[in-house]
Amino acid sequence: DAGVTQSPTHLIKTRGQQVTLRCSPKSGHDTVSWYQQALGQGPQFIFQYYEEEERQRGNFPDRFSGHQFPNYSSELNVNALLLGDSALYLCASSLAPPSGGNTGELFFGEGSRLTVL
Amino acid sequence: GQQVMQIPQYQHVQEGEDFTTYCNSSTTLSNIQWYKQRPGGHPVFLIQLVKSGEVKKQKRLTFQFGEAKKNSSLHITATQTTDVGTYFCAGQRAAGNKLTFGGGTRVLVKP
Repeated sequence: DAGVTQSPTHLIKTRGQQVTLRCSPKSGHDTVSWYQQALGQGPQFIFQYYEEEERQRGNFPDRFSGHQFPNYSSELNVNALLLGDSALYLCASSLAPPSGGNTGELFFGEGSRLTVL
Repeated sequence: GQQVMQIPQYQHVQEGEDFTTYCNSSTTLSNIQWYKQRPGGHPVFLIQLVKSGEVKKQKRLTFQFGEAKKNSSLHITATQTTDVGTYFCAGQRAAGNKLTFGGGTRVLVKP
């Protein structure tokens, strides 16, 4: 049973470029959340996808966008890259909680380390 | 917005000693989760606390949720070198809301 897989593992971009990161959730999971983790910091919530729709969003500009596909996999797109976008981008999958229920355990992938020069 | 703070930011522990790390939220939480991230790795789920005053144990780790559901603690006894890593708490303000992570406590163990 494969866990959460992310690609690419590492990439280098220059300012102004665009990047697409990909995530396949753990088998059986239907919800994908994306986090940005700067060096030495805690993960910062970007957004969450469920049923192919963005359900929640953190304090990130519109340059950050995403998509979820019918097979529950997801993409994170970042446009007009800035130096400050350099970070580890983590994808986490989970099961959607029952209505009114708490979010359960998040399963994280190994992350995609983005360096913007 | 919701803020989750963790103290201390760094914890240097002698092998065999005990220590505690604390997590404080600016708002009342519906639940809190703890994760461990080894150097170069990704966060791995440890536990979830839901009830006011709840205490859960996992071998040498003891997790507690405050009575007001605004703070939590993680106590590790007889620290081992395998405990090295960063421990994050993550709080959810209400069911269905995002999970907000704290800045983490980085634990270094001196043999």
